[in-house]
Amino acid sequence: GAVVSQHPSRVICKSGTSVKIECRSLDFQATTMFWYRQFPKQSLMLMATSNEGSKATYEQGVEKDKFLINHASLTLSTLTVTSAHPEDSSFYICSARGRGTGELFFGEGSRLTVL
Amino acid sequence: AQSVTQPDIHITVSEGASLELRCNYSYGATPYLFWYVQSPGQGLQLLLKYFSGDTLVQGIKGFEAEFKRSQSSFNLRKPSVHWSDAAEYFCAVGALIQGAQKLVFGQGTRLTINP
Repeated sequence: GAVVSQHPSRVICKSGTSVKIECRSLDFQATTMFWYRQFPKQSLMLMATSNEGSKATYEQGVEKDKFLINHASLTLSTLTVTSAHPEDSSFYICSARGRGTGELFFGEGSRLTVL
Repeated sequence: AQSVTQPDIHITVSEGASLELRCNYSYGATPYLFWYVQSPGQGLQLLLKYFSGDTLVQGIKGFEAEFKRSQSSFNLRKPSVHWSDAAEYFCAVGALIQGAQKLVFGQGTRLTINP
């Protein structure tokens, strides 16, 4: 199946710094990418939907100025957690969908720990 | 509003025993239904999906699921579990929300296998 890769898989940062997480579709062009957040032992909560070349659409309650999403190309979307705080510590997962297909392919996830 | 309910938070079965994980959904239109598996600290892997047609769907790793419209259910089954099946399982419905196709996840069911 199609491959979606996230980097880094783990990141630890100090409070107040910004962290960028990359999501790449390795063997297909992703017209739409989704960013999810997963708290320990909980389900995935959709944060935002990004379409290539346009602004991301954020779910209710998600701060767009804190979680910056860029989908500049058909194979790359980035999530930047700005001025991170300990409560932003979580598991972030991206997924991607190609042209004309309903299936989503998920990345391996990125675990963010803010000290 | 669209929603997915997995009534069982945690299930324990013995290796070699049969398994059924329950999933109920709420969605006004014909649903696209999915089951994903997540190993600790990992992303999600698609087990199987239902879009249309035969209501009994075969997936990877010996899993199957049956779509029952009358019960709004999409339960996951496996005749004989293996220790490697221990993981978190998520049911999801693909819904058209505000003009965009999105996945709505259930809370997840954690499966433990006894030797």
